[in-house]
Amino acid sequence: QVQLQESGPGLVRPSQTLSLTCNVSGGSISNADYYWSWIRQSAGEGLEWIGRMYITGRTNYNPSLKSRVTISIDTSKNQFSLKLSSVTAADTAVYYCARGLSGGWFGGNWFDPWGQGTLVTVSS
Amino acid sequence: DIVMTQSPDSLAVSLGERATINCKSSQSLLFSSNNKNYLAWYQQKPGQPPKLLIHWASTRESGVPDRFSGSGSGTDFTLTISNLQAEDVAVYYCQHYYGTLRYTFGQGTKLEIK
Repeated sequence: QVQLQESGPGLVRPSQTLSLTCNVSGGSISNADYYWSWIRQSAGEGLEWIGRMYITGRTNYNPSLKSRVTISIDTSKNQFSLKLSSVTAADTAVYYCARGLSGGWFGGNWFDPWGQGTLVTVSS
Repeated sequence: DIVMTQSPDSLAVSLGERATINCKSSQSLLFSSNNKNYLAWYQQKPGQPPKLLIHWASTRESGVPDRFSGSGSGTDFTLTISNLQAEDVAVYYCQHYYGTLRYTFGQGTKLEIK
């Protein structure tokens, strides 16, 4: 079955850019049935959806993070990536990648499966 | 934004008994064109990512025990766990996927054994 695994630095300096990659195994990231999302979890904010990408290149971002977020996809490596710029301590969280299943033309996604998550700490 | 509010924040239930977790949305999650409620439920055990239990408010995922059931419509939803087992200790979250702009989660309900 499909498995997802996040990778990237565990420590990022304030004002720098957080960069994470999600490796997808057991299935193709080019499958048109799915979207690919990033979600984070912090003690203060709980679970927060960051954004998603579809195989066509279309992206949707959480409006509260939109100005700082970029999600991209590399079909040759079966991976997708997250970049979050100008980070502060408030961006400290466990970051998850997840596959999104479609709610049809109107709805968004529910998420299954999720990666194990990676803790990113923003600190000098 | 649609705000998802769960209740209670925590509860303790005896083994073999029933646990009931509520989730209320700030606007209706029922889309009239297809009569579907755009709501999912997840289970998160310590040190693990969330696991999908239910989508469309009441459709249980393959492999999820049938003691887990989802109900409700519009703005009020319930996750019921019957015959509580020790392995059901976890935090449970609801999530809406109504529309495509922003998906939000409830704050979570921590379930423990009494």
